[in-house]
Amino acid sequence: DIQMTQSPSTLSASLGDRVTITCRASQSISSWLAWYQQKPGKAPKLLIYKASSLKTGVPSRFSGSGSGTEFTLTIGSLQADDFATYYCQHYNSYPYTFGQGTWLEIK
Amino acid sequence: QVQLVESGGGVVQPGKSLRLSCAASGFMFSRNAMHWVRQAPGKGLEWVAVISSDERNKYYADSVKGQFTISRDNSKNTLYLQMNSLGIDDTAVYYCAREDYRSGTIYGMDVWGQGTTVTVSS
Repeated sequence: DIQMTQSPSTLSASLGDRVTITCRASQSISSWLAWYQQKPGKAPKLLIYKASSLKTGVPSRFSGSGSGTEFTLTIGSLQADDFATYYCQHYNSYPYTFGQGTWLEIK
Repeated sequence: QVQLVESGGGVVQPGKSLRLSCAASGFMFSRNAMHWVRQAPGKGLEWVAVISSDERNKYYADSVKGQFTISRDNSKNTLYLQMNSLGIDDTAVYYCAREDYRSGTIYGMDVWGQGTTVTVSS
């Protein structure tokens, strides 16, 4: 099975900051990676698919990059609504494993 | 609008069974593969199972293989998860999610239900 490792586990940042979250796969997954945002008590929300494609309706301050085993999610200028937990997930092969999550908190 | 609504969760004793349902509306349910994802209290997301649009292919996480069965009824626009021999570790919120697939490309799990809570406790 492919393991997904996110870093950091917790990220403290301020409004307007630019932040980056990293996700590493234990083997190559090409570009078959998605990023999700989850707020407490809510279902996850798809932000990015195929590593770098922004889902329609997601603000352009979100961007994804990478291929193979190294991927990043960048939020260009943090807004109050962005403080949440973020997960990467590969869909290269079953099982579709998630990273352990990154909690983005207000500094 | 496009919607998934889970039901069937509750409190169940260890060793018992439970069947979850996920009712789909607002899209052609029979065209999409469907997933179950769970989240234990205070923990991250765990992918559980997937079923292809035509029901032919099913895959499971190792943690539930042989214990859970995913199925669907395309005539009823409903996805199911049969959970047997439940243990404490199966306590979680269970989400169903639609896999967006178009022209040979997977666009991720783009629609999620609100989740249904399963609590395994004596």
